[in-house]
Amino acid sequence: DGGITQSPKYLFRKEGQNVTLSCEQNLNHDAMYWYRQDPGQGLRLIYYSQIVNDFQKGDIAEGYSVSREKKESFPLTVTSAQKNPTAFYLCASSRHANTGELFFGEGSRLTVL
Amino acid sequence: QQQVKQSPQSLIVQKGGISIINCAYENTAFDYFPWYQQFPGKGPALLIAIRPDVSEKKEGRFTISFNKSAKQFSLHIMDSQPGDSATYFCAASKGNDYKLSFGAGTTVTVRA
Repeated sequence: DGGITQSPKYLFRKEGQNVTLSCEQNLNHDAMYWYRQDPGQGLRLIYYSQIVNDFQKGDIAEGYSVSREKKESFPLTVTSAQKNPTAFYLCASSRHANTGELFFGEGSRLTVL
Repeated sequence: QQQVKQSPQSLIVQKGGISIINCAYENTAFDYFPWYQQFPGKGPALLIAIRPDVSEKKEGRFTISFNKSAKQFSLHIMDSQPGDSATYFCAASKGNDYKLSFGAGTTVTVRA
């Protein structure tokens, strides 16, 4: 089945630690995205990538980093610089960057202890 | 600042009733308006979408109404079922822009 796989589903981190969330897609989509979801705030864009080896900051990129070395993979690192990292993180892809139809993974819930 | 304002934050409807969720936007360059449905612990999934050249789009029990002059669009869920209980997000994007601006979400609970 084609889709987006995010791992881990749940993650706990101590303050001051970096953590990397995995996102893999087998939809052959060009564009990939990371969103953060907090209660009552909808989805906010962290980073996006339109093609391999290229990515741009979204609305809330501070404290996060990404890489796009392969078309299928778009990992997100939550660094210790992110002041409030506890959230639900969603990875998505779209066939091309200029389409609004996003396909989402099932999310990773990060809790900072 | 949220570019798409969504209301209500939550609603409860009886089985068979109509659920109505409203969204408003300011950016007149927006030309694509999707709705996403999210079940607890899952990622959102595209439910239905509309472009401003039509005023209404219907897919099964779900209908989008679009009012370009008022810069508003809404989702109607007819004959609501318990399986429709979920969080619904409206969104908007413009032209060849990649970015979707999402509303804050509405949690719909359908009572049997």
